[in-house]
Amino acid sequence: QKEVEQNSGPLSVPEGAIASLNCTYSDRGSQSFFWYRQYSGKSPELIMSIYSNGDKEDGRFTAQLNKASQYVSLLIRDSQPSDSATYLCAVNRDFGNEKLTFGTGTRLTIIP
Amino acid sequence: EAQVTQNPRYLITVTGKKLTVTCSQNMNHEYMSWYRQDPGLGLRQIYYSMNVEVTDKGDVPEGYKVSRKEKRNFPLILESPSPNQTSLYFCASSLQGPGPLHFGNGTRLTVT
Repeated sequence: QKEVEQNSGPLSVPEGAIASLNCTYSDRGSQSFFWYRQYSGKSPELIMSIYSNGDKEDGRFTAQLNKASQYVSLLIRDSQPSDSATYLCAVNRDFGNEKLTFGTGTRLTIIP
Repeated sequence: EAQVTQNPRYLITVTGKKLTVTCSQNMNHEYMSWYRQDPGLGLRQIYYSMNVEVTDKGDVPEGYKVSRKEKRNFPLILESPSPNQTSLYFCASSLQGPGPLHFGNGTRLTVT
C-alpha cells in the first residue's frame, strides 16, 4: 500500500461546479496535511494546510480532514478554467519524522 | 522577494560526469529538501536538512549527496550521474520542519 494515494485522474469538472479531490494515507500517526497545486511545467505551490479534524476554508477552497478514516480532501467551489492543474496531497508524521511524503497527484481539468 | 533559487534550470550531461545543482533561499528557513519528480511516481524526497550541518536521507537517496554548510544553501551533488537520474528536480524550504514548503523553479536534468 502506498503511503499517500490519490486518484491520478484526469478529473473533468464543468466550469462553475464543485471539484472534489481525495487523498488517503496509510500512517495513522500522520499529523500535518497539505494540498499543493502544480501547473504544467511549473513548481508546486501551497494551497492549503490542515492539522486537525474537520473543515478548513480559504476562499473557494475547503480542505477536509478525517483522521479516523485516514483521508483528506480538497473541494474547489465555483471551479474556474485557471484551476486546471495537478493537485498534490502531502502528509507528514511529525514527532521526529521530518519527511514529507507526496501523493502522485490528481490532474484536474475544468471544462468551460 | 522571498524565493528559493535553483541553478541551472536545464542541464544535459553524460554518464559519470560529476555535477552540482545549487539551491539557495533568502527566507532564513531552517528546513530544506530536495525532491525529484518523475511521471507516474510523483515527488519523491531525496535528502532533507533540518538545519546547518544536519542532513538526512529521504526515500530515494542513492546516487546523491548533499551538504548544508550555510543556512541559505543546500546543493545537490551527483558524483557519477547515470541515465536513471534523468528527472525534474525541485529544491524546497520551510521555516521549520517539513511544513508549508516553498519550491524553487526546478532543474530539468538529462543524463545521456
